[in-house]
Amino acid sequence: DAGVIQSPRHEVTEMGQEVTLRCKPISGHDYLFWYRQTMMRGLELLIYFNNNVPIDDSGMPEDRFSAKMPNASFSTLKIQPSEPRDSAVYFCASSLGREKLFFGSGTQLSVL
Amino acid sequence: GEDVEQSLFLSVREGDSSVINCTYTDSSSTYLYWYKQEPGAGLQLLTYIFSNMDMKQDQRLTVLLNKKDKHLSLRIADTQTGDSAIYFCAETPRSGNKLIFGAGTRLAVHP
Repeated sequence: DAGVIQSPRHEVTEMGQEVTLRCKPISGHDYLFWYRQTMMRGLELLIYFNNNVPIDDSGMPEDRFSAKMPNASFSTLKIQPSEPRDSAVYFCASSLGREKLFFGSGTQLSVL
Repeated sequence: GEDVEQSLFLSVREGDSSVINCTYTDSSSTYLYWYKQEPGAGLQLLTYIFSNMDMKQDQRLTVLLNKKDKHLSLRIADTQTGDSAIYFCAETPRSGNKLIFGAGTRLAVHP
């Protein structure tokens, strides 16, 4: 299995632009999580899905952030408009049941 | 509330044992985990322990769980330079569906 696949690995954009991060979970996993990691705040859970349905989005910072999971093999996290304070590493993770998460390699986002 | 606490930094000499400690708050947690994050990479599940166990050993790794004190530790025997990474403790509270992570302990291994 290829594991959780995220794209792009790095994204540099200007403030105000739309950013879309992509994730392909491990086949057969029924949970998908989006995390954000920064030096200041550590690892933060943004949102998670179960069987493609959003369960808890209380960690999404504000309305500029949105996430979708149109099918079991694909999810997106969108930031519109992006701001410099959104700069972070964004991780996608998946699991079978809510235990034992498998993480992707992350997307390093820099908003200038 | 839910909280997982770890010391932020640990430095050990190559070949020595490393012990990384963690305290958690939810005594009803079902599983407790240790994740490892190497530079530029995602978190990798290292090991986990079910809440009804006291100890779990997996090659160089030993996990100890003290439920009374809500204390979890990870011991790495014969620490190598390749063990240099950030180690995250995490719990799954019975009250929710999401993992609660600590801030991570940065392990530095020096010759």
